[in-house]
Amino acid sequence: DVKVTQSSRYLVKRTGEKVFLECVQDMDHENMFWYRQDPGLGLRLIYFSYDVKMKEKGDIPEGYSVSREKKERFSLILESASTNQTSMYLCASRKGARAMGQPQHFGDGTRLSIL
Amino acid sequence: AQSVTQLDSQVPVFEEAPVELRCNYSSSVSVYLFWYVQYPNQGLQLLLKYLSGSTLVESINGFEAEFNKSQTSFHLRKPSVHISDTAEYFCAVSGAIGGYNKLIFGAGTRLAVHP
Repeated sequence: DVKVTQSSRYLVKRTGEKVFLECVQDMDHENMFWYRQDPGLGLRLIYFSYDVKMKEKGDIPEGYSVSREKKERFSLILESASTNQTSMYLCASRKGARAMGQPQHFGDGTRLSIL
Repeated sequence: AQSVTQLDSQVPVFEEAPVELRCNYSSSVSVYLFWYVQYPNQGLQLLLKYLSGSTLVESINGFEAEFNKSQTSFHLRKPSVHISDTAEYFCAVSGAIGGYNKLIFGAGTRLAVHP
């Protein structure tokens, strides 16, 4: 089974801090994704990566950046955390460069609170 | 642009009753359709998917969904629910957006099964 591991289940940070969320997958998947999940809004794509050192903006990239130095690891960075970034963050990975029918595999999520 | 509408934000139902979770999508191109389930404090898990072929797809735990192209729907059904089916369910459509294959999620339907 595919395993997507997010480094923290719960995280509490202060406004203005730089925050790192880490995600690791163990199935050599090419594609990786970061979403945020908010009640009533479903999942919204923040950034994604189709290959090492490659990144593309999703639908809500403002206030975030990402890093993919190795194939198995995809990091989400909140440059200067704000209270409106309090949310559940989900990482996902998928096999294939542009495989339309391949499902995404999700981690258990990081519930981030910004105080 | 592609979009997904889940018509019910919450669906309460008694144990052993049938249930239908509704999903409509809009797309001008061929799509792949997915249902994901999220149990409390967990990430999303793939429940079932439609890629091509038979319009009725089934999961291993008794759920089924029918792709209806004319009505642009992909409703999820189960003839008899269990307490353990209590979860949030997300419908998603996969399509090429800006040259990349992305998943577009609905806002989710929270299924609450009562004894």
